[in-house]
Amino acid sequence: AQSVAQPEDQVNVAEGNPLTVKCTYSVSGNPYLFWYVQYPNRGLQFLLKYITGDNLVKGSYGFEAEFNKSQTSFHLKKPSALVSDSALYFCAVRGANDYKLSFGAGTTVTVRA
Amino acid sequence: SQTIHQWPATLVQPVGSPLSLECTVEGTSNPNLYWYRQAAGRGLQLLFYSVGIGQISSEVPQNLSASRPQDRQFILSSKKLLLSDSGFYLCAWFRQVNTEAFFGQGTRLTVV
Repeated sequence: AQSVAQPEDQVNVAEGNPLTVKCTYSVSGNPYLFWYVQYPNRGLQFLLKYITGDNLVKGSYGFEAEFNKSQTSFHLKKPSALVSDSALYFCAVRGANDYKLSFGAGTTVTVRA
Repeated sequence: SQTIHQWPATLVQPVGSPLSLECTVEGTSNPNLYWYRQAAGRGLQLLFYSVGIGQISSEVPQNLSASRPQDRQFILSSKKLLLSDSGFYLCAWFRQVNTEAFFGQGTRLTVV
């Protein structure tokens, strides 16, 4: 079985400070990892993914994430947060031979001006 | 470009009434499709996925069913709604296992 853990329900940062949202996963075989963002009453928007290759992946809106196989982690980062980054963030995993996409419980990010 | 449509956006239904939510994908063929439910603005629960017409995999036994009558159409149904069926229902499609899923805008279902 595959699973995703997002250990923090909420992350609060000041605008201009770095932002990190944590994610760890469990899956059989090689993982395909994804980050999504959700604004109130909207669908999920794709931010970035790790499939293979460089452990540091860059995505939309200045976000990046680092894949760490030994720690089974895929933390989302942004060097300088904006108030507009305030939203609900989801990490997701899919096994290389599996159609199921499993999500974490989500982390609410609040960036204060 | 590909787009995914869900309707209706909001729905209020009495307990015991039937349900039909529709999802369609445009601009691609043979999409893989998901139905998710999100309760209280938090985690997403995978309900069903489909890799082809008539092929439905159920993840959670419950009061819901899914059908895929056409290649780009995915329907979520219930014969009799329960209060616990309330939630935000999301449809998504993806091309293959190493690609991202694209989500519709969701349907907010309130069972009263």
